[in-house]
Amino acid sequence: SAVISQKPSRDICQRGTSLTIQCQVDSQVTMMFWYRQQPGQSLTLIATANQGSEATYESGFVIDKFPISRPNLTFSTLTVSNMSPEDSSIYLCSVELGYNEQFFGPGTRLTVL
Amino acid sequence: SQELEQSPQSLIVQEGKNLTINCTSSKTLYGLYWYKQKYGEGLIFLMMLQKGGEEKSHEKITAKLDEKKQQSSLHITASQPSHAGIYLCGADMSGANSKLTFGKGITLSVRP
Repeated sequence: SAVISQKPSRDICQRGTSLTIQCQVDSQVTMMFWYRQQPGQSLTLIATANQGSEATYESGFVIDKFPISRPNLTFSTLTVSNMSPEDSSIYLCSVELGYNEQFFGPGTRLTVL
Repeated sequence: SQELEQSPQSLIVQEGKNLTINCTSSKTLYGLYWYKQKYGEGLIFLMMLQKGGEEKSHEKITAKLDEKKQQSSLHITASQPSHAGIYLCGADMSGANSKLTFGKGITLSVRP
């Protein structure tokens, strides 16, 4: 497995502002993923972030709203831009290790007022 | 419609009892993942199944994937309060990449 950390663990933000979430892994990984879990819902994939290329976004998610950086093989950031209360969710990063095994970070709980 | 159906939606069992929860897809799955989530926290990886008929166990938890690779069950033997949480199944439904589609989860409560 891997040790995956996320910062911040939680935050309360005002609408219209932006928040950048960091994901750090203790080993080099090719594929990193960002998911959103809205209250009472399951996880939804936002985008796939591979080092050295543009992030690939899923239907319903756009780069202007959720810009992603992947500067190296151990780190990624997800920014939630121009936030509204509907963005209140848990945001999780995950990494693929070995043969198709995916491990998740502890999540960032975001509340937008 | 939900691509991955989990059943039951929630479950309350007495400590020491066995239980089984299910994850069903209408499509063949290329990989099936089981995770446990404590409320408001991250996901803990439990097991991953890929082959039809595959079965894996870890401590008191056993997961199986049927031969058609469309249904998986998770069985807990002699449940304990530490087993309480939300159990999520996630699946690779395309085989072309590692994107996972998740079910809605099953909330398990274990009464002491």
